[in-house]
Amino acid sequence: EAGVVQSPRYKIIEKKQPVAFWCNPISGHNTLYWYRQNLGQGPELLIRYENEEAVDDSQLPKDRFSAERLKGVDSTLKIQPAELGDSAVYLCASSLNRLETNEQYFGPGTRLTVT
Amino acid sequence: AQSVTQLDSQVPVFEEAPVELRCNYSSSVSVYLFWYVQYPNQGLQLLLKYLSGSTLVKGINGFEAEFNKSQTSFHLRKPSVHISDTAEYFCAVSLLGFGNEKLTFGTGTRLTIIP
Repeated sequence: EAGVVQSPRYKIIEKKQPVAFWCNPISGHNTLYWYRQNLGQGPELLIRYENEEAVDDSQLPKDRFSAERLKGVDSTLKIQPAELGDSAVYLCASSLNRLETNEQYFGPGTRLTVT
Repeated sequence: AQSVTQLDSQVPVFEEAPVELRCNYSSSVSVYLFWYVQYPNQGLQLLLKYLSGSTLVKGINGFEAEFNKSQTSFHLRKPSVHISDTAEYFCAVSLLGFGNEKLTFGTGTRLTIIP
């Protein structure tokens, strides 16, 4: 079974430029998460999808960040314009929608460097 | 809101020695507890989880953790470490019984194995 796929793995951009990250979750997983991991910190949730619906986006900086999950499968996270403080690893995770557990499977992440 | 504290940011241990990585959590409601491992330039991999039942949980790679409700702790242990255990370890919690809630992570503990 393929794991969570993310691309690109690394991205270097200048500040004020736009950038987009792509995630393909594990087949059959209806819940998808985007986390941001700053250097030396644990991941923090940006947004959570149940199928196509964003059910928790309270931590997403909506002035510059946007996300979509068309057809409830792949997802794209966008930043426009990027700021120096956006440099971080962006992790995508997915899980089955079950009440008795909350096991999330993580992709390798996209390391963003804003110069 | 729930929170996680990992008291040790770095733990150096000699190869084949035992190790304990400490994790304490705070929550006003019951939680699920997790330990994830992150190898360099990779995503997070689940080591073990506590949902209910026996407070001693066994995971992959010879790790185990014990849930202590009175001390709100979930310390990770391994009786004999190997060079390949060098990685960053994250403790995490999520709300109990609310489906696929976000994970709240600690700041991580970097485990370094000394040959």
